[in-house]
Amino acid sequence: SQTIHQWPATLVQPVGSPLSLECTVEGTSNPNLYWYRQAAGRGLQLLFYSVGIGQISSEVPQNLSASRPQDRQFILSSKKLLLSDSGFYLCAWSVGTAGGYTFGSGTRLTVV
Amino acid sequence: DAKTTQPTSMDCAEGRAANLPCNHSTISGNEYVYWYRQIHSQGPQYIIHGLKNNETNEMASLIITEDRKSSTLILPHATLRDTAVYYCIVRPSTDSWGKLQFGAGTQVVVTP
Repeated sequence: SQTIHQWPATLVQPVGSPLSLECTVEGTSNPNLYWYRQAAGRGLQLLFYSVGIGQISSEVPQNLSASRPQDRQFILSSKKLLLSDSGFYLCAWSVGTAGGYTFGSGTRLTVV
Repeated sequence: DAKTTQPTSMDCAEGRAANLPCNHSTISGNEYVYWYRQIHSQGPQYIIHGLKNNETNEMASLIITEDRKSSTLILPHATLRDTAVYYCIVRPSTDSWGKLQFGAGTQVVVTP
């Protein structure tokens, strides 16, 4: 069966520090991968999506970047965190165009 | 541009059916209707999706009007664990990226 792993679950980082969040998927090949962010009390915002290794598309300009070094690994990074980067970060995967998404359990990031 | 319109919130009594409406008057012929829900502090969970016909699974039923301009998600016997934000999303079947754009959703509160 397919599973998605996302870590860490919670993270507190100082302003200006780097960030690396990792997401891995098991049990499927060539998935579409997505990073979403949910600010406190707000809806889900699509940040990045990837349809293959090294193929990253950004939805909104921001202080973050994404990489996909392996087929089932998706990484969200920042060189210098801002207070506005705080939020709930979710990784998701899907296969094909009509399938549903499966979301990870999320990382709650607080930038202080 | 919002492609779906949902009520901001609704209450439902435990054990009763919950009927969640969604308007998507500008839906195109190749767009699916998806429903997800997000329980507090968790990632969204896929519920059901459909194109033209009504659909049913172990979680819910999806009723799509004949003109496809609106739909209703039915939770047949609501429980306290169904308290969540419910998102109605339209998504083109031809979108090779398979992106999901979430709106504000409906906050459903199931009361004893």
